[in-house]
Amino acid sequence: KQEVTQIPAALSVPEGENLVLNCSFTDSAIYNLQWFRQDPGKGLTSLLLIQSSQREQTSGRLNASLDKSSGRSTLYIAASQPGDSATYLCACSGGGNKLTFGTGTQLKVEL
Amino acid sequence: DAGVIQSPRHEVTEMGQEVTLRCKPISGHDYLFWYRQTMMRGLELLIYFNNNVPIDDSGMPEDRFSAKMPNASFSTLKIQPSEPRDSAVYFCASSLSSGFYNEQFFGPGTRLTVL
Repeated sequence: KQEVTQIPAALSVPEGENLVLNCSFTDSAIYNLQWFRQDPGKGLTSLLLIQSSQREQTSGRLNASLDKSSGRSTLYIAASQPGDSATYLCACSGGGNKLTFGTGTQLKVEL
Repeated sequence: DAGVIQSPRHEVTEMGQEVTLRCKPISGHDYLFWYRQTMMRGLELLIYFNNNVPIDDSGMPEDRFSAKMPNASFSTLKIQPSEPRDSAVYFCASSLSSGFYNEQFFGPGTRLTVL
């Protein structure tokens, strides 16, 4: 059974700092890995999706990497802004379109 | 497209009552998923459908929960009878099997409180 862990559970950084969020998974037989953002009281917004054969994906200030052999993914946020404050979730798809979610990292970017 | 639509957004009910949550997936999507989010357990997949057919309901907690998808544009998740421990946010998501690596798109969720 796939288990997905995200560390740290919470992170507070000053505005402008570059930061890395970590995601680890126990079963490397994944189809893809998605990073989501969740604002308080809201649904999930898909940020980046990395297929199993890819090593990274970039969108604006966000860069996600995937290392299947070590069971790790990272989400890099450059030049963080207060508007980036949210909970970030990673999720692995093991085929059959089933996503297994991590517990999330709650990010706060302070002025 | 309007995205995935869920109703109601908030539901407060008393223990023992029947609760019905509704979802309209993105038009043309052939997969539909129901998730539950709690502080203790995070996000859990309850059930998913492909072309209106339930594929995997192994995440449905017990017989009090049931889900249907009578057509490609509508699904319901029913809890009968409801219990306080069912209090959670319930999300619906949809995806396209031929789309970008099966990326899932989520609705805004229904916050359920059972008193």
